[in-house]
Amino acid sequence: NAGVMQNPRHLVRRRGQEARLRCSPMKGHSHVYWYRQLPEEGLKFMVYLQKENIIDESGMPKERFSAEFPKEGPSILRIQQVVRGDSAAYFCASSGQVNTEAFFGQGTRLTVV
Amino acid sequence: EDKVVQSPLSLVVHEGDTVTLNCSYEVTNFRSLLWYKQEKKAPTFLFMLTSSGIEKKSGRLSSILDKKELFSILNITATQTGDSAIYLCAVNQGAQKLVFGQGTRLTINP
Repeated sequence: NAGVMQNPRHLVRRRGQEARLRCSPMKGHSHVYWYRQLPEEGLKFMVYLQKENIIDESGMPKERFSAEFPKEGPSILRIQQVVRGDSAAYFCASSGQVNTEAFFGQGTRLTVV
Repeated sequence: EDKVVQSPLSLVVHEGDTVTLNCSYEVTNFRSLLWYKQEKKAPTFLFMLTSSGIEKKSGRLSSILDKKELFSILNITATQTGDSAIYLCAVNQGAQKLVFGQGTRLTINP
């Protein structure tokens, strides 16, 4: 049973480009969460999704960031027109039930140059 | 503002020592408290605590929650170099909206 799979592991983008981060939850999990970890800071909640629905996006920046979890395929976190401040590790987690433990993927380290 | 505070931020001990990591919280909604171990990659789940006074144990690691005083501790006995990592405490406010502390960076020297 594979764990939470994120790709790519490392992503380098120039300022102004788009970044797409993918997350496949653990088998049987339908709840997906995205977190961001800035250098020297703790993980910060961004968004919680179920299949085809955004449940809670209170941690998402208002502009340039969007997330989806389609019926088929992985969850996608999309960052448009990236800026240097977007450089961070982005972690995805999944759970089988809404209030059971969440398991994390290995993260995507985004570097904006 | 919801916050989770961990202490110490950094700890260096010798192999074989026992360590206690602290986590205090002030949040508007509380469902559970979770501990994770983060090495160079994914945070790895350790414990989920929901009730006060009930110790969770896994090998040399144990943890307990005090919901009256709003804190939790994580104990590691007979530490090994493989225990070196960042230990993260998080409060689940419901719907897995986790509020994380800054982490404690634990270094075990041989």
